[in-house]
Order: sequence, then structure tokens, then C-alpha cells
Amino acid sequence: QKEVEQDPGPLSVPEGAIVSLNCTYSNSAFQYFMWYRQYSRKGPELLMYTYSSGNKEDGRFTAQVDKSSKYISLFIRDSQPSDSATYLCAMKVDTGNQFYFGTGTSLTVIP
Amino acid sequence: NAGVTQTPKFRVLKTGQSMTLLCAQDMNHEYMYWYRQDPGMGLRLIHYSVGEGTTAKGEVPDGYNVSRLKKQNFLLGLESAAPSQTSVYFCASSRRMNTEAFFGQGTRLTVV
Repeated sequence: QKEVEQDPGPLSVPEGAIVSLNCTYSNSAFQYFMWYRQYSRKGPELLMYTYSSGNKEDGRFTAQVDKSSKYISLFIRDSQPSDSATYLCAMKVDTGNQFYFGTGTSLTVIP
Repeated sequence: NAGVTQTPKFRVLKTGQSMTLLCAQDMNHEYMYWYRQDPGMGLRLIHYSVGEGTTAKGEVPDGYNVSRLKKQNFLLGLESAAPSQTSVYFCASSRRMNTEAFFGQGTRLTVV
């Protein structure tokens, strides 16, 4: 079993839709949770960063962590064509050196 | 702000050839990482470094070597390239243990 599981999609939504992206994980020691956005042929760029459980909001983006279910989500409100990208979740234990990445979900927002 | 810069951006190698990928960061980060990204496999850690002069193996280290002689640079070497090493390679750095990683733009390597 992989440490982090992520549905690869692809996911296609109309402009203005609410998008929900999810990851599940098996290691209960993960404490740091990140979402990266990767445009085609570019490097991943950090979108959201949360510690432990709870929600974090930044503009149209909301990250949620449910440690009891080992489940994290990224919500995108009022999705735009510029949100079309691959979204990667990443996790880390408190004293660890390594990030554990999901395989990424490909999102296309249709104008 | 350059951030993390990778050199070269593209390369084609013949089987058995060697090459070195260079990663440079200007953020004074302690930690540096080399990942490879393959379709359906996500980002897999090859080697990482927690400071100048240190290196450690990641998830898929075989066939690669690394060096961190200067804090700002992290080199990834392929001694004898194989077609299985065809991939997109990303370098990343982070300030310390529990902070987010910043990525370079990637190196697309094809081994024929």
C-alpha cells in the first residue's frame, strides 16, 4: 500500500464550479499537509500548507485535514480556466526529512 | 528572485553515457532534494541532503549519486545511463525540516 493515495482523474468541470480534490493516507504520524499545483511542463508550486487537523482558507482555495479519517481535501471555489493543472498532495511526519507525494489529480476547467 | 534553478532543462543521452544535473538555490535553504516524476508514479525521492556535506538515500536511489559540496548547490549524477532513467527530474529545497519545499522547473531527460 502506498503511503499516499490520490485519484489521478482526469477531472473536467465547467468554469465557476466548485472543485473537490482529495487524498487519503496510511501513516497516522503525518502532521504536515501540503497542496501543490503543477502546470504542464513546469515544476510544482506550493498552494496551501497546513499543520495537523482543521481548515485553512486562502482566497478561492480551502484545505481541510481530517486526521481521524486520514483524509485531506482541497476545495476550489468559482473555478477558472487558469486553475487547469495537476494538483499534488504532499505530507510529512513531524521529525521526518522526506515529503510523501500523491500521484496528482489532473484538472481541466472548461470556459 | 531565481529560487531553485536547474541545469540543463533538456537532455538526450545514449545508454551508458554519464551526466550531471545541477541544482542551485539562492534562498539559503538547508535541505535539498532530488525527485523524479514519471506518469502514474508521482514524485519519487531519489536522494536528499540536510546540509552542506551531507547526503542520504531516498526511495529510488539506485543508479544515481549526489554531492552537496556547497550549501547552495546539489548535484545529481548518472554514471551509466539506462532507458529506465528516462524521466523528468525535479530539484527542491526547504528552509528546515518542517517547512514547505520549493521546486525548480525540471530537467527532461531521455535515455535512448
